[in-house]
Amino acid sequence: GAGVSQSPSNKVTEKGKDVELRCDPISGHTALYWYRQSLGQGLEFLIYFQGNSAPDKSGLPSDRFSAERTGGSVSTLTIQRTQQEDSAVYLCASTPRGLAVYEQYFGPGTRLTVT
Amino acid sequence: AQKVTQAQTEISVVEKEDVTLDCVYETRDTTYYLFWYKQPPSGELVFLIRRNSFDEQNEISGRYSWNFQKSTSSFNFTITASQVVDSAVYFCALSERMIKAAGNKLTFGGGTRVLVKP
Repeated sequence: GAGVSQSPSNKVTEKGKDVELRCDPISGHTALYWYRQSLGQGLEFLIYFQGNSAPDKSGLPSDRFSAERTGGSVSTLTIQRTQQEDSAVYLCASTPRGLAVYEQYFGPGTRLTVT
Repeated sequence: AQKVTQAQTEISVVEKEDVTLDCVYETRDTTYYLFWYKQPPSGELVFLIRRNSFDEQNEISGRYSWNFQKSTSSFNFTITASQVVDSAVYFCALSERMIKAAGNKLTFGGGTRVLVKP
Protein backbone atom coordinates (compact mmCIF):
# COMPACT_ATOMS: atom_id res chain seq x y z
CA GLY A 1 0.00 0.00 0.00
CA ALA A 2 0.96 3.66 -0.18
CA GLY A 3 3.36 5.00 2.39
CA VAL A 4 3.44 8.36 4.10
CA SER A 5 3.54 11.14 1.55
CA GLN A 6 4.66 14.70 2.02
CA SER A 7 4.43 17.78 -0.14
CA PRO A 8 6.14 19.72 -1.42
CA SER A 9 9.39 17.78 -1.55
CA ASN A 10 11.35 21.01 -1.68
CA LYS A 11 10.39 24.52 -0.68
CA VAL A 12 12.47 27.66 -1.00
CA THR A 13 11.07 30.74 0.65
CA GLU A 14 12.19 34.19 1.59
CA LYS A 15 12.77 35.12 5.18
CA GLY A 16 9.60 36.45 6.75
CA LYS A 17 7.18 34.54 4.52
CA ASP A 18 4.77 31.88 5.80
CA VAL A 19 4.96 28.29 4.57
CA GLU A 20 2.68 25.27 4.79
CA LEU A 21 3.93 21.71 4.68
CA ARG A 22 1.57 18.83 4.10
CA CYS A 23 1.58 15.24 5.31
CA ASP A 24 -0.65 12.38 4.22
CA PRO A 25 -0.28 9.48 6.65
CA ILE A 26 -0.75 5.85 5.79
CA SER A 27 -4.44 5.09 5.45
CA GLY A 28 -5.86 3.87 8.75
CA HIS A 29 -3.02 5.19 10.85
CA THR A 30 -4.40 7.28 13.67
CA ALA A 31 -1.18 8.62 15.17
CA LEU A 32 0.85 11.23 13.33
CA TYR A 33 4.17 12.85 14.24
CA TRP A 34 6.19 15.74 12.87
CA TYR A 35 9.96 15.85 13.28
CA ARG A 36 12.63 18.22 12.05
CA GLN A 37 16.07 17.24 10.85
CA SER A 38 18.70 19.94 10.74
CA LEU A 39 22.46 19.97 10.74
CA GLY A 40 22.73 21.71 14.06
CA GLN A 41 19.97 19.97 16.00
CA GLY A 42 19.77 16.53 14.46
CA LEU A 43 16.39 14.83 14.44
CA GLU A 44 13.96 16.42 16.88
CA PHE A 45 10.31 15.86 17.71
CA LEU A 46 7.90 18.70 16.98
CA ILE A 47 4.29 17.64 17.50
CA TYR A 48 2.10 14.56 17.87
CA PHE A 49 -1.53 13.91 16.94
CA GLN A 50 -3.62 10.98 18.07
CA GLY A 51 -7.11 10.72 16.67
CA ASN A 52 -9.26 13.60 17.87
CA SER A 53 -7.30 14.18 21.07
CA ALA A 54 -5.52 17.45 21.76
CA PRO A 55 -2.08 17.33 20.15
CA ASP A 56 1.17 17.22 22.07
CA LYS A 57 2.91 20.42 20.99
CA SER A 58 5.79 20.16 23.42
CA GLY A 59 8.43 20.02 20.69
CA LEU A 60 7.43 23.12 18.73
CA PRO A 61 10.39 25.52 18.91
CA SER A 62 8.38 28.74 18.91
CA ASP A 63 4.89 30.13 18.53
CA ARG A 64 5.62 30.71 14.86
CA PHE A 65 5.09 26.98 14.41
CA SER A 66 1.64 25.43 14.39
CA ALA A 67 0.02 22.31 13.01
CA GLU A 68 -3.40 20.95 12.47
CA ARG A 69 -4.86 17.67 11.44
CA THR A 70 -8.14 17.66 9.60
CA GLY A 71 -10.52 14.74 9.85
CA GLY A 72 -7.97 12.66 11.64
CA SER A 73 -5.94 12.21 8.46
CA VAL A 74 -4.03 14.88 6.56
CA SER A 75 -1.85 17.21 8.60
CA THR A 76 -0.46 20.63 7.80
CA LEU A 77 2.54 22.17 9.53
CA THR A 78 2.62 25.95 9.24
CA ILE A 79 5.61 28.13 9.90
CA GLN A 80 4.91 31.84 10.08
CA ARG A 81 7.46 34.57 9.45
CA THR A 82 10.12 32.07 8.52
CA GLN A 83 13.68 32.56 9.71
CA GLN A 84 16.89 31.17 8.30
CA GLU A 85 17.23 28.83 11.27
CA ASP A 86 13.98 27.18 10.17
CA SER A 87 15.85 25.69 7.21
CA ALA A 88 15.70 21.93 7.68
CA VAL A 89 14.06 18.77 6.45
CA TYR A 90 10.62 18.34 7.99
CA LEU A 91 9.62 14.71 8.40
CA CYS A 92 6.22 13.27 9.05
CA ALA A 93 5.58 9.81 10.48
CA SER A 94 2.52 7.75 11.28
CA THR A 95 1.68 4.64 13.28
CA PRO A 96 -1.36 2.36 13.29
CA ARG A 97 -2.53 3.48 16.72
CA GLY A 98 -1.28 5.81 19.37
CA LEU A 99 -2.03 3.65 22.36
CA ALA A 100 0.74 1.17 21.73
CA VAL A 101 4.33 1.44 20.75
CA TYR A 102 4.72 0.74 17.10
CA GLU A 103 7.49 1.57 14.73
CA GLN A 104 6.89 4.86 13.04
CA TYR A 105 6.67 4.96 9.27
CA PHE A 106 8.32 8.04 7.86
CA GLY A 107 7.62 10.06 4.77
CA PRO A 108 10.32 11.35 2.42
CA GLY A 109 10.33 14.76 4.06
CA THR A 110 10.07 18.34 2.87
CA ARG A 111 13.34 20.21 2.51
CA LEU A 112 12.74 23.81 3.51
CA THR A 113 15.28 26.47 2.61
CA VAL A 114 14.80 29.97 3.93
CA THR A 115 16.84 32.56 2.07
CA ALA B 1 14.80 13.47 30.42
CA GLN B 2 15.74 10.88 27.87
CA LYS B 3 18.88 11.02 25.79
CA VAL B 4 20.51 8.91 23.11
CA THR B 5 24.19 9.12 22.28
CA GLN B 6 25.85 7.76 19.19
CA ALA B 7 29.49 8.57 19.76
CA GLN B 8 30.64 7.60 16.27
CA THR B 9 29.79 10.27 13.75
CA GLU B 10 31.25 8.47 10.76
CA ILE B 11 32.66 5.02 10.07
CA SER B 12 34.39 4.04 6.85
CA VAL B 13 34.94 0.39 5.99
CA VAL B 14 35.85 -1.70 3.00
CA GLU B 15 33.23 -4.04 1.64
CA LYS B 16 32.91 -7.35 3.50
CA GLU B 17 34.24 -5.89 6.73
CA ASP B 18 32.04 -5.98 9.79
CA VAL B 19 30.95 -2.71 11.35
CA THR B 20 29.48 -2.08 14.79
CA LEU B 21 27.52 1.04 15.62
CA ASP B 22 27.35 2.07 19.25
CA CYS B 23 24.26 3.45 20.96
CA VAL B 24 24.02 4.50 24.59
CA TYR B 25 20.80 5.78 26.09
CA GLU B 26 19.59 7.47 29.24
CA THR B 27 16.12 7.19 30.67
CA ARG B 28 14.49 7.23 34.09
CA ASP B 29 11.70 4.97 32.98
CA THR B 30 11.74 1.24 33.55
CA THR B 31 9.62 0.62 30.48
CA TYR B 32 10.99 1.95 27.24
CA TYR B 33 11.58 1.00 23.63
CA LEU B 34 14.64 1.21 21.48
CA PHE B 35 14.77 1.50 17.73
CA TRP B 36 17.24 1.59 14.89
CA TYR B 37 16.49 3.40 11.66
CA LYS B 38 18.46 3.61 8.43
CA GLN B 39 18.55 6.76 6.32
CA PRO B 40 19.99 6.03 2.87
CA PRO B 41 21.09 8.83 0.57
CA SER B 42 17.52 9.08 -0.71
CA GLY B 43 16.63 10.53 2.67
CA GLU B 44 13.70 8.41 3.83
CA LEU B 45 14.03 6.86 7.28
CA VAL B 46 13.63 3.10 7.18
CA PHE B 47 12.72 1.14 10.28
CA LEU B 48 15.10 -1.70 11.14
CA ILE B 49 14.24 -2.98 14.61
CA ARG B 50 12.26 -2.28 17.79
CA ARG B 51 13.22 -3.70 21.16
CA ASN B 52 11.43 -3.24 24.49
CA SER B 53 13.22 -2.87 27.78
CA PHE B 54 12.09 -6.24 29.08
CA ASP B 55 13.55 -8.19 26.21
CA GLU B 56 17.32 -8.38 26.35
CA GLN B 57 17.58 -11.22 23.92
CA ASN B 58 19.90 -10.38 21.09
CA GLU B 59 18.49 -10.51 17.62
CA ILE B 60 19.87 -11.42 14.23
CA SER B 61 18.25 -10.60 10.93
CA GLY B 62 20.33 -11.62 7.96
CA ARG B 63 23.55 -9.63 8.10
CA TYR B 64 22.20 -7.39 10.86
CA SER B 65 22.44 -8.14 14.55
CA TRP B 66 21.66 -6.17 17.68
CA ASN B 67 23.13 -6.42 21.16
CA PHE B 68 20.95 -4.96 23.93
CA GLN B 69 22.54 -4.66 27.37
CA LYS B 70 20.51 -2.94 30.07
CA SER B 71 23.43 -3.06 32.49
CA THR B 72 25.38 -0.66 30.30
CA SER B 73 22.35 1.08 28.74
CA SER B 74 23.55 0.15 25.31
CA PHE B 75 21.87 -1.09 22.15
CA ASN B 76 24.57 -1.72 19.61
CA PHE B 77 24.08 -2.65 15.98
CA THR B 78 26.42 -4.79 13.88
CA ILE B 79 26.45 -5.19 10.13
CA THR B 80 28.28 -8.33 9.13
CA ALA B 81 30.07 -8.56 5.79
CA SER B 82 29.13 -5.02 4.85
CA GLN B 83 28.06 -4.13 1.34
CA VAL B 84 28.09 -0.87 -0.57
CA VAL B 85 24.30 -0.70 -0.25
CA ASP B 86 24.73 -0.47 3.51
CA SER B 87 26.13 3.04 3.08
CA ALA B 88 23.73 5.27 4.96
CA VAL B 89 23.21 7.18 8.16
CA TYR B 90 21.97 4.99 10.99
CA PHE B 91 19.97 6.39 13.87
CA CYS B 92 19.31 4.89 17.26
CA ALA B 93 16.15 6.13 18.98
CA LEU B 94 14.38 5.80 22.32
CA SER B 95 10.71 5.98 23.23
CA GLU B 96 9.57 5.96 26.83
CA ARG B 97 6.47 4.33 28.24
CA MET B 98 3.35 5.33 26.44
CA ILE B 99 1.78 8.37 28.04
CA LYS B 100 -1.54 9.23 26.52
CA ALA B 101 -0.83 12.84 25.78
CA ALA B 102 2.73 12.33 24.57
CA GLY B 103 2.38 9.39 22.30
CA ASN B 104 5.59 7.50 21.76
CA LYS B 105 7.65 10.32 20.37
CA LEU B 106 11.15 9.28 19.51
CA THR B 107 14.33 10.77 20.88
CA PHE B 108 17.04 10.22 18.33
CA GLY B 109 20.77 9.96 18.62
CA GLY B 110 22.92 12.10 16.38
CA GLY B 111 23.35 9.34 13.83
CA THR B 112 26.35 7.47 12.50
CA ARG B 113 27.27 7.77 8.86
CA VAL B 114 28.53 4.49 7.46
CA LEU B 115 30.50 4.54 4.26
CA VAL B 116 31.21 1.18 2.68
CA LYS B 117 33.83 1.32 -0.01
CA PRO B 118 34.03 -1.32 -2.74
